[in-house]
Amino acid sequence: KAGVTQTPRYLIKTRGQQVTLSCSPISGHRSVSWYQQTPGQGLQFLFEYFSETQRNKGNFPGRFSGRQFSNSRSEMNVSTLELGDSALYLCASSLDPGQGFVGYTFGSGTRLTVV
Amino acid sequence: AQSVSQHNHHVILSEAASLELGCNYSYGGTVNLFWYVQYPGQHLQLLLKYFSGDPLVKGIKGFEAEFIKSKFSFNLRKPSVQWSDTAEYFCAVNARAAGNKLTFGGGTRVLVKP
Repeated sequence: KAGVTQTPRYLIKTRGQQVTLSCSPISGHRSVSWYQQTPGQGLQFLFEYFSETQRNKGNFPGRFSGRQFSNSRSEMNVSTLELGDSALYLCASSLDPGQGFVGYTFGSGTRLTVV
Repeated sequence: AQSVSQHNHHVILSEAASLELGCNYSYGGTVNLFWYVQYPGQHLQLLLKYFSGDPLVKGIKGFEAEFIKSKFSFNLRKPSVQWSDTAEYFCAVNARAAGNKLTFGGGTRVLVKP
């Protein structure tokens, strides 16, 4: 079966702009989470969506937001981009059978560069 | 809040050498534990995971990890590494009370010399 698909793979944006990243989870996976990966801070949890609702949130400013659609696809948006937002943004999907966390499958990520 | 620390940032070793990467976490509740690997230019892949039961867990590619609850540790081992094991390795903890969320360690870059 297809893996977690993230688009686009690479983005270059200017400070102050906004950006939207997309993630298609593995078929049947209802939980989608987003992580930011940077050399300095490592992998940090942004938020998790399940059944179109944000179920969990990390410690990021309100400029970072997301949503999930009825087909479980998810988007994340970053408004008013700052240089420090340059990072690899990873999407991860999970089956979530309702019996606790069973693990993630990660996508290849979107490399965002803010100039 | 939980935290995860990986003791070594960089490890360099020769093929056939043994590898052990340390991972400690701070959280008093019940946890699920993971090791992920990121090969150059590739996405994060699951090496192994521990949920309960036998604290010695075997994963893919000859890796294994041991959960020592009293030490809050989940160290990764491989008896004999290959050049293809060159990658970055991440330990991660899921606090069961926190839902679908992983807290990652800072990662260890492993370079295996042929």
